[in-house]
Amino acid sequence: EPEVTQTPSHQVTQMGQEVILRCVPISNHLYFYWYRQILGQKVEFLVSFYNNEISEKSEIFDDQFSVERPDGSNFTLKIRSTKLEDSAMYFCASSEGYGQFGTQYFGPGTRLLVL
Amino acid sequence: GQQVMQIPQYQHVQEGEDFTTYCNSSTTLSNIQWYKQRPGGHPVFLIQLVKSGEVKKQKRLTFQFGEAKKNSSLHITATQTTDVGTYFCEGSGNTPLVFGKGTRLSVIA
Repeated sequence: EPEVTQTPSHQVTQMGQEVILRCVPISNHLYFYWYRQILGQKVEFLVSFYNNEISEKSEIFDDQFSVERPDGSNFTLKIRSTKLEDSAMYFCASSEGYGQFGTQYFGPGTRLLVL
Repeated sequence: GQQVMQIPQYQHVQEGEDFTTYCNSSTTLSNIQWYKQRPGGHPVFLIQLVKSGEVKKQKRLTFQFGEAKKNSSLHITATQTTDVGTYFCEGSGNTPLVFGKGTRLSVIA
């Protein structure tokens, strides 16, 4: 069964450093998402991406964050200057469609620790 | 902005007992999704509800979407230890996707 993959599984970085989290969505999916989950808390939507542009973003997704689909398979989340509070599990998800046509499949996540 | 409240936050049940988690939105939803997240795992899609008053069943799981499309519930009949995890609802409306805080289910054998 096709699945969403994410790399790395764990990332440790120093505060102020840039990090890039990578995702390979399911190949025939058109919509891509990033979520984060701070330890012990709920999953929070960051951004959705369709047709090479951001379709929706939350208040969390400020100027420090950016997303890109650099080629036909990868979908990346960049955090420009990490802060301690960016420590969280970051999940990528993808779906064929949106809304009622958009069952989202989540990747295993990247655990980011900012020191 | 849209808020999705989920109760209870925690539920401990004896194996064989039933379990229900409730999701309430501050605004009308287009659709609602339910996910299960095992400890240390990622959210796994369970079901999507689209129609007002919709009821869907998956084996021991029953999902309902309210008539006003502002609330939903997940009911598990005769829980098993494999049901352990956190159950999240996610609502889609006029604002970005919003997850509830989840209900963490513990099942005591």
